[in-house]
Amino acid sequence: DSGVTQTPKHLITATGQRVTLRCSPRSGDLSVYWYQQSLDQGLQFLIQYYNGEERAKGNILERFSAQQFPDLHSELNLSSLELGDSALYFCASSVAPGDRTGNTIYFGEGSWLTVV
Amino acid sequence: GIQVEQSPPDLILQEGANSTLRCNFSDSVNNLQWFHQNPWGQLINLFYIPSGTKQNGRLSATTVATERYSLLYISSSQTTDSGVYFCAVEPRFTSGTYKYIFGTGTRLKVLA
Repeated sequence: DSGVTQTPKHLITATGQRVTLRCSPRSGDLSVYWYQQSLDQGLQFLIQYYNGEERAKGNILERFSAQQFPDLHSELNLSSLELGDSALYFCASSVAPGDRTGNTIYFGEGSWLTVV
Repeated sequence: GIQVEQSPPDLILQEGANSTLRCNFSDSVNNLQWFHQNPWGQLINLFYIPSGTKQNGRLSATTVATERYSLLYISSSQTTDSGVYFCAVEPRFTSGTYKYIFGTGTRLKVLA
C-alpha cells in the first residue's frame, strides 16, 4: 500500500458526460501529480500541484481540469468525454515540489475509466 | 525535452532465469525511479536510484549518472515478476516544470 488513495477504482460512463476522479496523497506529501495511461501506452504526465498551486502542466486537454484543495486532496475533472479518453488515470504524490534530489514519487492504484 | 528509452521492449524468461533491463536517458537528472506495473495495473515502487547501486532481495539496480543509464537486475525470476517495468526520470534542468518522465517500459513475462 503506497498510502495514495484514489476513488473510484472503476468507472463506466457515456460519451459527452463529465466525471470527477479523486485523490488523497500520502500523509505529509504536498505534491500531487496526475498521469494518464491509455491501453498499451506509457504513462503521460497531465498536471502537478504543490501545496494548492499548479506547478507543472503536461499534455492535458482543455476538457480536463484539476485542482488541489486546502486539505491537499486533489480532483481531476474530465468533461465532454470521448471514447479515446478511456484509460487508467493515476494520481501520485511526493513530499517536495520536484526541484530537488530525494523527490520520491508514490502512485495510487489508479482509476479505470471506460467511456462507452 | 529529455528522452527516456528502455530496452528490451519485451522479454520472455523461464522461471529461475536472470535478466537485465536497461534505461537510457538523454540529459542530466535529479531523480530516477524504477517501477513494476503488475498485471492488475498497480504501479509499485522498486527503487529510488539517481546514482549508485541498491539491492532489495532478488532485485538490484545501478545508475551511472555520468553515462546517463540505469540497469535493473532481476535474479531467479518468478512468475510474479511478470508485468511491465518502467524507468522514470526527473530532469535536472526543466525551466521550472518539474515532473517525472516515464520510459516506454519493458514487458516481462516469466513462464513457469
